[in-house]
Amino acid sequence: DAKTTQPPSMDCAEGRAANLPCNHSTISGNEYVYWYRQIHSQGPQYIIHGLKNNETNEMASLIITEDRKSSTLILPHATLRDTAVYYCIVRSGANFGNEKLTFGTGTRLTIIP
Amino acid sequence: NAGVTQTPKFQVLKTGQSMTLQCAQDMNHEYMSWYRQDPGMGLRLIHYSVGAGITDQGEVPNGYNVSRSTTEDFPLRLLSAAPSQTSVYFCASSPQGLAVSYEQYFGPGTRLTVT
Repeated sequence: DAKTTQPPSMDCAEGRAANLPCNHSTISGNEYVYWYRQIHSQGPQYIIHGLKNNETNEMASLIITEDRKSSTLILPHATLRDTAVYYCIVRSGANFGNEKLTFGTGTRLTIIP
Repeated sequence: NAGVTQTPKFQVLKTGQSMTLQCAQDMNHEYMSWYRQDPGMGLRLIHYSVGAGITDQGEVPNGYNVSRSTTEDFPLRLLSAAPSQTSVYFCASSPQGLAVSYEQYFGPGTRLTVT
């Protein structure tokens, strides 16, 4: 699976959009981009995933560049409860038997009141 | 649905003791896995299972055993605990494995200390 690079920490003002970047320059054609978050030692929580098109759900939006070498997770109106570590993960969706997510160290997002 | 449940929440062991961390899910998911998380680090995969009777090793399997006799349960056994196994352990499950793009559901974790 491709390696990802994320900034170690970011701050965002409450009510503003939080934009979390992720570089995955070695991504291959069948690899998906997943985002999870972990709120203060709880179990990780799935946020969103995509292959090449931009995706949106009730939690966030995922913007993937046309060359797929990077992506941005957008939390449109950040609240204090969005303070967490956010993990960007790239993995193959077509390789049965390689069922694992490789978590890096993620980005620690702090929402400022 | 209760989702993914883990017991116990906290455990202290002495070096050399054995114990089993329990994990259960009520979502009829085929895929289950165990991760450990050490301070300041991401999660590392210990073992995983793609269905009842099938298990495989992750990236840090040494010192741990697993079995999958039912779809619902996936216990993690520490045969002879060592201080290096002090960590937070998370169990996760997903439908039909990750061969397609499914999300994983994580349990609340078990915080284990080995003295």
